[in-house]
Amino acid sequence: DIQMTQSPSSLSAFVGDRVTLACQASHDITNYLNWYQQKPGKAPKLLIYDASNLATGVPSRFTGGGSGTHFTLTIGSLQPEDIATYYCQQYENLPFTFGQGTRLEIK
Amino acid sequence: QVQLQESGPGLVQPSQTLSLTCTVSGGSISSAGHYWSWFRQHPGKGLEWIGYIYHTGRSEYNPSLKSRLTLSVDTSKNQFSLNLSSVTAADTAVYYCARGGISPSGILTGYFHYWGQGTLVTVSS
Repeated sequence: DIQMTQSPSSLSAFVGDRVTLACQASHDITNYLNWYQQKPGKAPKLLIYDASNLATGVPSRFTGGGSGTHFTLTIGSLQPEDIATYYCQQYENLPFTFGQGTRLEIK
Repeated sequence: QVQLQESGPGLVQPSQTLSLTCTVSGGSISSAGHYWSWFRQHPGKGLEWIGYIYHTGRSEYNPSLKSRLTLSVDTSKNQFSLNLSSVTAADTAVYYCARGGISPSGILTGYFHYWGQGTLVTVSS
């Protein structure tokens, strides 16, 4: 299985800050990398697909980057509604696998 | 707007079979452009892919669950289902169904726009 490692595991930032989350794959996954946002008690919400494509309806402050084994999710200006846990997911190989998540909090 | 809704018992006894159904509305489960997947999330933990199935019945399973897992589809009811046998407390989780896409060239895309709300299944006597 391809292992996905996210860093940091938790992050606290101010409203308006630029925030970057990282995801590393144990093998080259080209750009088969997605990002999801999950709020407590809710299903995951797709934010970014294929490493850098913004999903429909997602605010433009979210951007994804990277390829191969290193990927990032950047929130250009943190908003209170962005408080959530963020997961990366690869689909280069089965089984699809997720990172352990980064919990984002407001200072 | 496509909607997915999981249903099934919230409590299952150890060694029994966990059975869940996902009902799809706002779209046909027989669409050639989509496939149907299950995920789970253990309490306070990350996400785990369980498996997926096409409307044709072709399926792929997570090897970690393959020996206990059966996915099925009922196109007449616009539903797909999960059966997980010989459950233990380690199978206690929120179970989600979701829809994946297939590109015009026929390639499976492994991202999921549409999810059910999730259903908590507890394995306990």
